[in-house]
Amino acid sequence: NAGVTQTPKFQVLKTGQSMTLQCAQDMNHEYMSWYRQDPGMGLRLIHYSVGAGITDQGEVPNGYNVSRSTTEDFPLRLLSAAPSQTSVYFCASSYDSGSPGANVLTFGAGSRLTVL
Amino acid sequence: GENVEQHPSTLSVQEGDSAVIKCTYSDSASNYFPWYKQELGKGPQLIIDIRSNVGEKKDQRIAVTLNKTAKHFSLHITETQPEDSAVYFCAARKRGKLIFGQGTELSVKP
Repeated sequence: NAGVTQTPKFQVLKTGQSMTLQCAQDMNHEYMSWYRQDPGMGLRLIHYSVGAGITDQGEVPNGYNVSRSTTEDFPLRLLSAAPSQTSVYFCASSYDSGSPGANVLTFGAGSRLTVL
Repeated sequence: GENVEQHPSTLSVQEGDSAVIKCTYSDSASNYFPWYKQELGKGPQLIIDIRSNVGEKKDQRIAVTLNKTAKHFSLHITETQPEDSAVYFCAARKRGKLIFGQGTELSVKP
């Protein structure tokens, strides 16, 4: 049982390049989300999904795309990287039951992205 | 949308003292308030949570209180130990979105 797996752990990009951060979970969680973590700003929600084929925007969605073709995978795409997207990115998943207390987020280990 | 404010941003205590971290939220429809602990180089992990129909919850040395009227909730850590040193995040959840506070870096000095 691997939990939430993020790849790559580290990535350096040049401005304008594109890339995809991968996220996979093996817990059959309906809910998956992406956060970015910046000093002094906590964890900010980028996009989230409550099931395959369903995605929605979070607090800071601009510059990022997501898709959810399977329950297990939730990739985050940067179409044209900018220095402002330098950050640590976390993928997290949970059940999406009607009981909010059952929806405990499990986080991946993070992906550190630097855009030059 | 929901906005969560967390204070203080840094907190330093002596081993054995208590630590209190406070959060306020803006949307009265939020109904779930978890607290996460993040150790260096790792993803956050849930340490305690509370639902909107409960005023207080305790788990050994940690406790969380919720005041729905004032829209604030707090984390209390008693008898702090060096291994409690980490970054702590509060969060509020409403309709699928879990919004986090800015984080508190807790340092417990031996």
